[in-house]
Amino acid sequence: AQSVAQPEDQVNVAEGNPLTVKCTYSVSGNPYLFWYVQYPNRGLQFLLKYITGDNLVKGSYGFEAEFNKSQTSFHLKKPSALVSDSALYFCAVRAPFFGNEKLTFGTGTRLTIIP
Amino acid sequence: GAGVSQTPSNKVTEKGKYVELRCDPISGHTALYWYRQSLGQGPEFLIYFQGTGAADDSGLPNDRFFAVRPEGSVSTLKIQRTERGDSAVYLCASSANPGLGVRTDTQYFGPGTRLTVL
Repeated sequence: AQSVAQPEDQVNVAEGNPLTVKCTYSVSGNPYLFWYVQYPNRGLQFLLKYITGDNLVKGSYGFEAEFNKSQTSFHLKKPSALVSDSALYFCAVRAPFFGNEKLTFGTGTRLTIIP
Repeated sequence: GAGVSQTPSNKVTEKGKYVELRCDPISGHTALYWYRQSLGQGPEFLIYFQGTGAADDSGLPNDRFFAVRPEGSVSTLKIQRTERGDSAVYLCASSANPGLGVRTDTQYFGPGTRLTVL
C-alpha cells in the first residue's frame, strides 16, 4: 500500500518570506516522491521528484524538497515566495516495485502568497 | 513541443447517458494513465496503459468504466450509464517508456476534462 498525507489544507505566506508545504508518506521500501502544482482550470504541472541519491532535490521555479527517511517526509520549500507561487500543490508517492506505475496523491495544499 | 491534450475540455451530460473522453499523449510516450479528480481531492488512479494493453486497471471503480488505446497512442475513456457521482475532472498523463529496472519516468498531465452529470 502507498499513501500520502498533506496535513495543511491552506498555507499563507508573505511575499519574500520562505515557504514550506508539508508532505508525509507511507510506503513499503524506498519511495519515489513527486510534487506537482495545479493552477486554476489547468492540469497538474510537474515540479520535482526524488528517486534516489541526494536528499535535497531542486526543481522548477526555484522550488526544492528534502527527503527525510526517518521522518517519512518530503516537504516542499522555497527561500523567497512570489505572488505567482499561489496555487494548489500536490505531493505524490509511488512504491518502487515492478509493475506499479500508479501515483497516489495527497489531498492538496492551497498556497497563498500575500503581497 | 506539444504536451498532453484532452478533449473535450468540458462535457455536460444527463444521468444514464454514455460519454467518451479522449486523450492525446506526448508524442513518443508509450505509457498513458487516467486519473479522476473529485472536488477538493487529489487525483485518483484509474488505469495505466503500456503500449496498447492495459497493464493495470485496478483503479476503475466499476464495469461502467472502460478505456482503450488501440494503436498505442490516443486513448479513450468510456463511461456507460453515467451517474451524478461520476462528475469530476478526468486527467490523462503520459510518460516515456518506463523500461525495465528502476522506473523513474515522470508523468506529464493534460489539462483535464471536466465531466458534469446532471
